[in-house]
Amino acid sequence: DTAVSQTPKYLVTQMGNDKSIKCEQNLGHDTMYWYKQDSKKFLKIMFSYNNKELIINETVPNRFSPKSPDKAHLNLHINSLELGDSAVYFCASSLGIEKLFFGSGTQLSVL
Amino acid sequence: GIQVEQSPPDLILQEGANSTLRCNFSDSVNNLQWFHQNPWGQLINLFYIPSGTKQNGRLSATTVATERYSLLYISSSQTTDSGVYFCAVDTTGANNLFFGTGTRLTVIP
Repeated sequence: DTAVSQTPKYLVTQMGNDKSIKCEQNLGHDTMYWYKQDSKKFLKIMFSYNNKELIINETVPNRFSPKSPDKAHLNLHINSLELGDSAVYFCASSLGIEKLFFGSGTQLSVL
Repeated sequence: GIQVEQSPPDLILQEGANSTLRCNFSDSVNNLQWFHQNPWGQLINLFYIPSGTKQNGRLSATTVATERYSLLYISSSQTTDSGVYFCAVDTTGANNLFFGTGTRLTVIP
């Protein structure tokens, strides 16, 4: 199936731990993103990569580091997790500025 | 920064009814998209519509960029239309989409 897929779907961890979320798209898109959806359902962009180059880096703590090994992958690594990091994280991709396609989300719970 | 207001915040419809969701934005945009987040959390892109009108089945959308608003029409609503509808806009040209707070739609049988 052509899609944006991210793993894991659920991530439960303790404060202070380091975790990663993986994202892959097979749509042939050149731009990939990470979005964060908080408990009030507000969606906010975190990062955007175009052809492996960082394009958008919104005000996000340094503990969050995206890594794009190639155009089809954009992973998110989070260091020293805090309670406030609990949210749903969505990966997305697009061809240029056209339609954005989202993955199914990763529910991160920090205890 | 840009403000994106969606109305109404909540909407309850009987199955088969029609509805109009509105998105107002405070600045000129070069990109506008509508999304549906279903009750299971999946975000589906409905329209890429920086201007003009598009139709897809029972859904259609119109963006009047000069007047800074967009409308999403849902006709003959079905229970599967339930969820949150988001409007998102970009002013940067880099697809840096800024999302509105959404309209929560509940369709009852």
